[in-house]
Amino acid sequence: DAGITQSPRHKVTETGTPVTLRCHQTENHRYMYWYRQDPGHGLRLIHYSYGVKDTDKGEVSDGYSVSRSKTEDFLLTLESATSSQTSVYFCAIRDQDSTDTQYFGPGTRLTVL
Amino acid sequence: RKEVEQDPGPFNVPEGATVAFNCTYSNSASQSFFWYRQDCRKEPKLLMSVYSSGNEDGRFTAQLNRASQYISLLIRDSKLSDSATYLCVVRGYGQNFVFGPGTRLSVLP
Repeated sequence: DAGITQSPRHKVTETGTPVTLRCHQTENHRYMYWYRQDPGHGLRLIHYSYGVKDTDKGEVSDGYSVSRSKTEDFLLTLESATSSQTSVYFCAIRDQDSTDTQYFGPGTRLTVL
Repeated sequence: RKEVEQDPGPFNVPEGATVAFNCTYSNSASQSFFWYRQDCRKEPKLLMSVYSSGNEDGRFTAQLNRASQYISLLIRDSKLSDSATYLCVVRGYGQNFVFGPGTRLSVLP
């Protein structure tokens, strides 16, 4: 158990509304990631963080922003949600002390109507 | 060509069978390799890392062939509880972890 929680676990929202998803970790890992998973695609990286206030874009970053003001929290924001952002969102940490393995949170199911 | 490709599946096998999953990757500079399993509507969970010398964990054996850019996972004596989707993951440069689309396995009684 890598001590990762995500909130909310489920959310239904309307097109055009802002949405923020939270990832919380308890083990002080430096690297944190946000992925989305859609049918027919593998997990795709949205953004990642390599420290407090240090973030970078991933493969599918358009329409998303992130913030990391504390080591334990990594926030993903959809500034103006669209139906194409309906997906399952997973947060992950990377355990640099254990063969670089990533461990995932339980996921957030987001539906944009 | 996708960066990481896997057998399309699904694989339906009887209990006790041996099943092999294949994965190919396109980036020859890839550094780390993993197999994850993902149960329906759950998060991916690490099954095993894959080392150049090959490695085994109980009924599971992983192999890496860097020259052919190929990774495999062998499951012996399949159990009902092995039913899941198996994801091949390759780490390239920096934070570029690339996930394959997954291969679904159903182990039948």
